[in-house]
Amino acid sequence: DVKVTQSSRYLVKRTGEKVFLECVQDMDHENMFWYRQDPGLGLRLIYFSYDVKMKEKGDIPEGYSVSREKKERFSLILESASTNQTSMYLCASSLDDRGGYTFGSGTRLTVV
Amino acid sequence: KQEVTQIPAALSVPEGENLVLNCSFTDSAIYNLQWFRQDPGKGLTSLLLIQSSQREQTSGRLNASLDKSSGRSTLYIAASQPGDSATYLCAVFMDSNYQLIWGAGTKLIIKP
Repeated sequence: DVKVTQSSRYLVKRTGEKVFLECVQDMDHENMFWYRQDPGLGLRLIYFSYDVKMKEKGDIPEGYSVSREKKERFSLILESASTNQTSMYLCASSLDDRGGYTFGSGTRLTVV
Repeated sequence: KQEVTQIPAALSVPEGENLVLNCSFTDSAIYNLQWFRQDPGKGLTSLLLIQSSQREQTSGRLNASLDKSSGRSTLYIAASQPGDSATYLCAVFMDSNYQLIWGAGTKLIIKP
């Protein structure tokens, strides 16, 4: 089974801090995604990557950046955390361009 | 613009009943449709993926059907158990723009 591992389940950070959320997948998937999930807003795509060192903006990229230096690792970076970035962050990977997504267990981030 | 709707938003049924969750979409030009399960505070688990050329997929007590022309999918759960309690989300993949469009989910509660 494909595993997508997110490094932290729960994280509390202060406003203005730089925050790194790490995601690693172990099945050589080309595509990786970062979503945030908020009550009433559902899942929203932040960034995605179809290849190493490649990144594409999703629907809500503002305030975030990403890094994909290795195929198996996709990092989400909050350059200067703000309280409105308190959310559940979900990482996913897929073998090809057309779905078949596998998700990590999520990181609940609280910015205080 | 593709819209994915899941009705009802919440459903509560007694243990042992068979039940159906609904997912509808406005644009029938989908590549595939995927059903996920999400337990509270956790990530998403992929349940079933149906390609646009398929009519149904089965896994254990779960059966997902797809009627692309009418823009509908159903997830049938047989002999429900309290452990089935979760939020169920459907998502369609659009080949036209490589986007995954999400429904808002149905929160299912199985009463012992």
